[in-house]
Amino acid sequence: DVKVTQSSRYLVKRTGEKVFLECVQDMDHENMFWYRQDPGLGLRLIYFSYDVKMKEKGDIPEGYSVSREKKERFSLILESASTNQTSMYLCASLDRIQETQYFGPGTRLLVL
Amino acid sequence: AQSVSQHNHHVILSEAASLELGCNYSYGGTVNLFWYVQYPGQHLQLLLKYFSGDPLVKGIKGFEAEFIKSKFSFNLRKPSVQWSDTAEYFCAVENTGFQKLVFGTGTRLLVSP
Repeated sequence: DVKVTQSSRYLVKRTGEKVFLECVQDMDHENMFWYRQDPGLGLRLIYFSYDVKMKEKGDIPEGYSVSREKKERFSLILESASTNQTSMYLCASLDRIQETQYFGPGTRLLVL
Repeated sequence: AQSVSQHNHHVILSEAASLELGCNYSYGGTVNLFWYVQYPGQHLQLLLKYFSGDPLVKGIKGFEAEFIKSKFSFNLRKPSVQWSDTAEYFCAVENTGFQKLVFGTGTRLLVSP
């Protein structure tokens, strides 16, 4: 079974703080993704990575950056958290053979 | 750019009722189609997917979906829902080869016992 884990289920941060969200997958997948999920908006792609040190902007990259130093780990960084970044953040990993993305449990971030 | 529409935002059904959730996409090229489900407090998981072949695909827990290319649709169905089907359902589309999913806004289904 594909296992995608995220470092925190819940996180509370203050405006202006730097925030790191970590995602790890154990299936040697090359492609990994970060989404945010908001009520009524569905999932929106923030960034994705198709290999170590490679990254591509998704649909809503503003205010975010990512890091992929190792194949199994993909980090999402909020350089200076703002209240409009309060959301559920989902990480996914792509099984290219199955052509299917598998999701982690999500991190619910509250920015005060 | 690809976009995905789920017209039903909230659906309330009684147990044993039939379910159909609509999903339409905009781009007419070759696509891969997915339905994901998120049960309360759980992570998003794959319900079913369509890549090619028989346009009627069957997934887990008695769900099925039909791809109608001429209508750009991939509607999800279940003949008889159960209380445990209460969840949020997301349709997603991938333009084949791009490895990026575009999601619809989701449909919250509440099944009353």
